[in-house]
Amino acid sequence: GESVGLHLPTLSVQEGDNSIINCAYSNSASDYFIWYKQESGKGPQFIIDIRSNMDKRQGQRVTVLLNKTVKHLSLQIAATQPGDSAVYFCAESGGGNKLTFGTGTQLKVEL
Amino acid sequence: GAVVSQHPSWVICKSGTSVKIECRSLDFQATTMFWYRQFPKQSLMLMATSNEGSKATYEQGVEKDKFLINHASLTLSTLTVTSAHPEDSSFYICSAINSGGAGYEQYFGPGTRLTVT
Repeated sequence: GESVGLHLPTLSVQEGDNSIINCAYSNSASDYFIWYKQESGKGPQFIIDIRSNMDKRQGQRVTVLLNKTVKHLSLQIAATQPGDSAVYFCAESGGGNKLTFGTGTQLKVEL
Repeated sequence: GAVVSQHPSWVICKSGTSVKIECRSLDFQATTMFWYRQFPKQSLMLMATSNEGSKATYEQGVEKDKFLINHASLTLSTLTVTSAHPEDSSFYICSAINSGGAGYEQYFGPGTRLTVT
């Protein structure tokens, strides 16, 4: 079936640098995308979402970019902090409220 | 607002026994809840959609007779793992959609760690 995947399983960045986490999706019918942060032993935490009629959305220190032409989604974290260390998942929905999660990227922030 | 709780947070049971996991929406009503399973260092896999007052909808490959779901009220869904085996050991996560909200955002619980010995 169609799936959502990530390019990088692990990303290491220096504290204060910007982080970019990527996600490729294959379901062209998907119209809603979400980024989640999951810390060890906890449930996913909503970060930011975007609908397919947009190509960019900004939050506090985070930006999500959507490129529908190449079916690519990215999460940018500005001034990465140690507290940002976690696994990040993209998820997509093609309607019906069901989510398909990507494989996840481990973000490690080095001091 | 939009808090989802799970109980227990962790449980150890012996092989062959059954264990029930609760998922509660604390400050909103949820007609629809979801149950996910997550193995170590893997992604969340949707197991089933729990609908208040009706039968759950299971994803392909998920045994409905083994993973019993009951959504008897607008704030509670339960997942019972029957005749548990070590391979059922996993992190079980639920989510809920606010019936009074926009209708699509899922709020996730903190997860339940199940270990079957």
